[in-house]
Amino acid sequence: DAGVTQSPTHLIKTRGQHVTLRCSPISGHKSVSWYQQVLGQGPQFIFQYYEKEERGRGNFPDRFSARQFPNYSSELNVNALLLGDSALYLCASSLAWDSYYEQYFGPGTRLTVT
Amino acid sequence: GIQVEQSPPDLILQEGANSTLRCNFSDSVNNLQWFHQNPWGQLINLFYIPSGTKQNGRLSATTVATERYSLLYISSSQTTDSGVYFCAVAVRSGNTGKLIFGQGTTLQVKP
Repeated sequence: DAGVTQSPTHLIKTRGQHVTLRCSPISGHKSVSWYQQVLGQGPQFIFQYYEKEERGRGNFPDRFSARQFPNYSSELNVNALLLGDSALYLCASSLAWDSYYEQYFGPGTRLTVT
Repeated sequence: GIQVEQSPPDLILQEGANSTLRCNFSDSVNNLQWFHQNPWGQLINLFYIPSGTKQNGRLSATTVATERYSLLYISSSQTTDSGVYFCAVAVRSGNTGKLIFGQGTTLQVKP
């Protein structure tokens, strides 16, 4: 069975631009979460989506938004990119939204903002 | 919010040696996961272990939820074990289930 997939693998953008990152969860998983990992730190929670609805949001500005589609795939959008948005963006899927469910991560999208 | 601390931050071993990584957390949690992050950034699931002890080959993990810590044991280490090991605790915040990660332990296994 395929694991969590993410696209693109790498991305280079300029300050002020907009970016869209994509994620497809494991088949049968209905919850998708997004995490940001800056160099030298552990991943930080950005969003969780379940059944196409936002369940929660971490401490990130409104420039960050996301959505989930009927097939449970998800997009993360970041507007007005800043140099500090350079990071590895990780998508995780789980069967449902509750914290009791194990989360599985994709390979990530490495975003560089210049 | 809940704090997750991992120790040691860095660890250098000779191939064949054993090691213990520790994860302390500041409040009760619903779940705990251990991950290995490979050089390409992928987080590989090692253990889902809210409590008790589990073993998978040369790796084993123990979580003592009442004392708020978890341990990851690596025996007979190999160069392929190198990388960053993360502990993450799962908490329910309102209608959200999210993972809170520690800062990681960077392991280097020398041949």
